[in-house]
Amino acid sequence: QSALTQPPSASGSPGQSVTISCTGTSNDVGNYNYVSWFQQHPGKAPKLMIYEVTERPSGVPDRFSGSKSGNTASLTVSGLQADDEADYYCSSYAGSNVVFGGGTKLTVL
Amino acid sequence: EVQLVESGGGLVKPGGSLRLSCAASAFTFSTSYMNWVRQAPGKGLEWVSSISSSSSYIYYADSVKGRFTISRDNAKNSLYLQMNSLRAEDTAMYYCARSYSADIWGHGTMVTVSS
Repeated sequence: QSALTQPPSASGSPGQSVTISCTGTSNDVGNYNYVSWFQQHPGKAPKLMIYEVTERPSGVPDRFSGSKSGNTASLTVSGLQADDEADYYCSSYAGSNVVFGGGTKLTVL
Repeated sequence: EVQLVESGGGLVKPGGSLRLSCAASAFTFSTSYMNWVRQAPGKGLEWVSSISSSSSYIYYADSVKGRFTISRDNAKNSLYLQMNSLRAEDTAMYYCARSYSADIWGHGTMVTVSS
């Protein structure tokens, strides 16, 4: 049950786009289309932003998009806004368990 | 409003036990897959356990297997986590989350294991 690998930090200016990667293995990300992305502001509960690699829950802006290639999933945030500054976590189904990434702190410059 | 509310956290000594509860409202709990996820202070998210709607399928992280037990009472719209043989490394905020995609989360309940 090894964690997925995310960069510890990412940044961008307002209006720009930023992409956060999430690298797993053929036992998790590479084998299942059940990758999710969560946004967490300080002191708050996580919020689902993307599920099943590319799907957006209702209410999540279309500025957030997900993709996957091989063992690596990605979250792209376009048109960066100040409120996008938060921690972002990926997760993947891995058979009989779920694995999370270590998290990426997104800073809006 | 669709809601999950956790309770039962607190301070417990190493080796002790605690039972967490998660009360669900405004959705059909009895058909929902449910999860427990924890977050140690200043750290990332860690999946703990999941249970299917009828309790037929139950899964645990290796770090808690044999010590924690997940259960649910669909008549009471409630999810539980019985935690035994607690260790310092179990100190974390514990969240319950709905469904395979964890689309709804509670606000969490804090568990501190310390002597």
